[in-house]
Amino acid sequence: ETGVTQTPRHLVMGMTNKKSLKCEQHLGHNAMYWYKQSAKKPLELMFVYSLEERVENNSVPSRFSPECPNSSHLFLHLHTLQPEDSALYLCASSQTRGAGELFFGEGSRLTVL
Amino acid sequence: QKEVEQDPGPLSVPEGAIVSLNCTYSNSAFQYFMWYRQYSRKGPELLMYTYSSGNKEDGRFTAQVDKSSKYISLFIRDSQPSDSATYLCAMSAWSGYSTLTFGKGTMLLVSP
Repeated sequence: ETGVTQTPRHLVMGMTNKKSLKCEQHLGHNAMYWYKQSAKKPLELMFVYSLEERVENNSVPSRFSPECPNSSHLFLHLHTLQPEDSALYLCASSQTRGAGELFFGEGSRLTVL
Repeated sequence: QKEVEQDPGPLSVPEGAIVSLNCTYSNSAFQYFMWYRQYSRKGPELLMYTYSSGNKEDGRFTAQVDKSSKYISLFIRDSQPSDSATYLCAMSAWSGYSTLTFGKGTMLLVSP
């Protein structure tokens, strides 16, 4: 148990569906991250939130929409995804954006049909 | 040339073997180096963290950085079946974790 909880753990969706991934951290951290992990590819940073403000968006397509309502919760809203978006989506948190260990959740495995 | 190169494996060794995992990189500005361990169906967890060149030891694990060769290594002594996992190297030019560049990961299998 890392203190970062992701739901759902598995998600299958069609290309026209809308779904959301949820992340909650119980560590009192101020920064939260979404990463994408695809087979045979390095971890890719998607979004960074620091104190609920989005501070980084690494050229992620607009079909991925993050939301950070408070420092403990992070969402990734998904709509009109493509099959190549199938991957493991990892949420992480750290004490601050600039320092401290990254704590990852167990990930949400997404399959787009 | 990719920024960080890491052989994906799998690397299969018998229990008790010394394991060497490696990454090469091209960006000479990298000075913070990390190794993450990722068990199947789990998220990565930080295993070792080193700054600049040199060695760092923690129990059976030793991290080594050679900035002149742009080469980092993780050694595991007396490997155990519980060490079977994917090992990701990661590095950054500064201490901000949002700028980490990851390798693809090496899958390690330690057989009893």
